[in-house]
Amino acid sequence: ETGVTQSPTHLIKTRGQQVTLRCSSQSGHNTVSWYQQALGQGPQFIFQYYREEENGRGNFPPRFSGLQFPNYSSELNVNALELDDSALYLCASSLAKGGNTEAFFGQGTRLTVV
Amino acid sequence: GESVGLHLPTLSVQEGDNSIINCAYSNSASDYFIWYKQESGKGPQFIIDIRSNMDKRQGQRVTVLLNKTVKHLSLQIAATQPGDSAVYFCAEKSGGYQKVTFGTGTKLQVIP
Repeated sequence: ETGVTQSPTHLIKTRGQQVTLRCSSQSGHNTVSWYQQALGQGPQFIFQYYREEENGRGNFPPRFSGLQFPNYSSELNVNALELDDSALYLCASSLAKGGNTEAFFGQGTRLTVV
Repeated sequence: GESVGLHLPTLSVQEGDNSIINCAYSNSASDYFIWYKQESGKGPQFIIDIRSNMDKRQGQRVTVLLNKTVKHLSLQIAATQPGDSAVYFCAEKSGGYQKVTFGTGTKLQVIP
């Protein structure tokens, strides 16, 4: 186990709704990154948070937003859900903003939009 | 559980044989490379990494080779076991930025 926990594990939402996914990072890690993984594809970077601030963003629209809390846990919020948002959402925690340090992934949240 | 292996290239190997999984990367500025293993229903699991100033690194039963000239990365698994069956992703980072860019992935099937 990586020590990174995500909740919920599975979620079904209706198109147009909003969703919040949660991630508890590994103890001592101050950086959390979020990824979207469509079925049969590799994870795609959404954004990263370092010490409660967004530290880089991938090619995702503004309706994807996030937060990081003082304890370094994090949330991913998606507004106005679309069918194509159905995917596995992964968070990864690591120790440092920069440098080549190992990132540990959670088991993911499977989001289905109907 | 879900399948992360749909529509991915598949490599089938006999148990006990060596496996070689290949990956081409695109960003010549990438300076750090990682191999991840992802089993069905789980998040990616770190296997081994290599920095761009190296061309080979060995771990337990695994070896990563990096050829920066042709932007090619490979993962060798010795004495492949049924537990090695999973989807394997190569990934790259650049400039110390924590964004990890994943490749397409290869599904490894180990035949008992």
